[in-house]
Amino acid sequence: QLVESGGGWVKPGESLRLSCVASGFNVTNVWMNWVRQSPGKGLEWVGRIKTKVDGGTADSTFPVKDRFTISRDDSKNTIFLDMTSLKVEDTAVYYCATRGMNYEFKWFDLWGQGTLVTVSS
Amino acid sequence: DIQMTQSPSYLSASVGDRVTITCRASQTINFYLNWYQQKAGKAPKFLIYGANTLQNGVPPRFTGSGSRTEFTLSISNLQPEDSATYYCQQSYNSPRTFGQGTKVEI
Repeated sequence: QLVESGGGWVKPGESLRLSCVASGFNVTNVWMNWVRQSPGKGLEWVGRIKTKVDGGTADSTFPVKDRFTISRDDSKNTIFLDMTSLKVEDTAVYYCATRGMNYEFKWFDLWGQGTLVTVSS
Repeated sequence: DIQMTQSPSYLSASVGDRVTITCRASQTINFYLNWYQQKAGKAPKFLIYGANTLQNGVPPRFTGSGSRTEFTLSISNLQPEDSATYYCQQSYNSPRTFGQGTKVEI
């Protein structure tokens, strides 16, 4: 399973670090994603990080590209989402999710329960 | 970015009914289309990949079809536990994008 933590209430411009701890499997072998859901809204992919074998690089969606950073600590079986310069529109439940795949297709497989981030003055 | 549009946004049906949700992509995505189910207050659950292949454990009353730009998710013999919001998502390219969701009320 995946368990996110670190959410909370912050003011615009502040920073926050979210964590996603995996149990029952080794994140070393899995590309990991962050997906968010604004209150009452749909789902938005935030970003992902590759396995170290695949280069370990991370990328993210345009609205957060210069403000959010995804990293991994395989020794702790944990993925992080560092969010800086937070905006009101970043208010959402943030989910981490594993990438599932076969020879051709990819999907968001296992999801955590989510952690709520509220950005408000 | 590829825009995904679902219809309807909401539908109400009865136990035993068959319902169909449509998902349209703003450009061709071949068969790179996934479906998820999200129950109230819960995380999404992966249902279907490749437009029509059910994830292990998903009841066969769920069926996906379509290709290129138009896709459907059908649920036959609707059950009370199928009450949820359903999302399509394209995996053709990055950034992955989702439809806005279809809430199914039973």
